Amino acid sequence: DGGITQSPKYLFRKEGQNVTLSCEQNLNHDAMYWYRQDPGQGLRLIYYSQIVNDFQKGDIAEGYSVSREKKESFPLTVTSAQKNPTAFYLCASRTGGDEAFFGQGTRLTVV
Amino acid sequence: GEDVEQSLFLSVREGDSSVINCTYTDSSSTYLYWYKQEPGAGLQLLTYIFSNMDMKQDQRLTVLLNKKDKHLSLRIADTQTGDSAIYFCAESGNSGAGSYQLTFGKGTKLSVIP
Repeated sequence: DGGITQSPKYLFRKEGQNVTLSCEQNLNHDAMYWYRQDPGQGLRLIYYSQIVNDFQKGDIAEGYSVSREKKESFPLTVTSAQKNPTAFYLCASRTGGDEAFFGQGTRLTVV
Repeated sequence: GEDVEQSLFLSVREGDSSVINCTYTDSSSTYLYWYKQEPGAGLQLLTYIFSNMDMKQDQRLTVLLNKKDKHLSLRIADTQTGDSAIYFCAESGNSGAGSYQLTFGKGTKLSVIP
């Protein structure tokens, strides 16, 4: 079945550690997105990528990094520079003006 | 930049109609979407409307678009307890790089009272 898969579902990070969240899609979509969701804040765009080997910062890119080496994959690294990383992270993909498909999310907690 | 506004909470009785409202600022918006999010899950597309349409109906869902006022609404007929969720309004730009931009509102939490 076609879809978008995020892993892991739950992730715990110690202070000062970098962690990488995985996002894979087999929908042949050009564009991929990372959003952060905090209670009452809705979705805030971290990074997005329109094509392979290219990506743009969103509204809250500081403390995050991404890569887009393959069309199917758009991993997000939460670096130690991100001071408040505890949140629900959502990955999405789409082509052009079509609707976006979302993964099931990764809940990151700092311990 | 572009902005999408929604009220944060809505409470309705089971069997009544729910109307969730959304306003947006980008006059070049081409596609307008409604997504549903259940607790701990990703977003699920409910319906969308193209900007040259005024209305779209899909079973219990009716979307109304007032392009002049940049106002979008989602009506859920015969609301059920399973409709309890957060509903997000989103807009997408017109062409080129803008067509890849997706801007979301903060979401409206719908609570259905049995």
